[in-house]
Amino acid sequence: NAGVTQTPKFQVLKTGQSMTLQCAQDMNHNSMYWYRQDPGMGLRLIYYSASEGTTDKGEVPNGYNVSRLNKREFSLRLESAAPSQTSVYFCASSRERGTYEQYFGPGTRLTVT
Amino acid sequence: KQEVTQIPAALSVPEGENLVLNCSFTDSAIYNLQWFRQDPGKGLTSLLLIQSSQREQTSGRLNASLDKSSGRSTLYIAASQPGDSATYLCAVSSPGGYSTLTFGKGTMLLVSP
Repeated sequence: NAGVTQTPKFQVLKTGQSMTLQCAQDMNHNSMYWYRQDPGMGLRLIYYSASEGTTDKGEVPNGYNVSRLNKREFSLRLESAAPSQTSVYFCASSRERGTYEQYFGPGTRLTVT
Repeated sequence: KQEVTQIPAALSVPEGENLVLNCSFTDSAIYNLQWFRQDPGKGLTSLLLIQSSQREQTSGRLNASLDKSSGRSTLYIAASQPGDSATYLCAVSSPGGYSTLTFGKGTMLLVSP
């Protein structure tokens, strides 16, 4: 039982390049989330998917797109990376949105030069 | 908009001390409050989840309390050990908005042998 997994663990991009961060959970959870963590800012919600087939913007969605590929997988895409997107990205999941405990993946450290 | 504050930002104690970490939130209409631990360069590990109808939760040497009406939670760590050194994050899940977690910026704890 792996919980929430994320790939890659580390990535360095040049400004303007694109990439997709992958996330998968094996807990049969309906809701999935993407957060970014920056020094002094705490964790902020980028996008979430309340259930398979739905996605919604969070607090800081600009520059990102997401895909809920199926119930297990939720990917985050940077179409044209900018230095401001240098951050640590965490994927999380929960049984449902709101009242249920969230479980987090190990994170992806992204540097954009 | 829900805001979460954690005090102190950093804490250094000798091994064996009992300690209290504080968390406050501005909107008392919450689903639950979750305490996490984050080791340097790692993901978030859920420690305790307190539902809005509960007053406290305990796990081993950890005890978390919730006073929803005053917008406060405390995490009590008994008989601290060097292995407790980490950043502790408090997060609340609230209705409205994104119905997901709003995080504090954390308390960095160092327990010295």
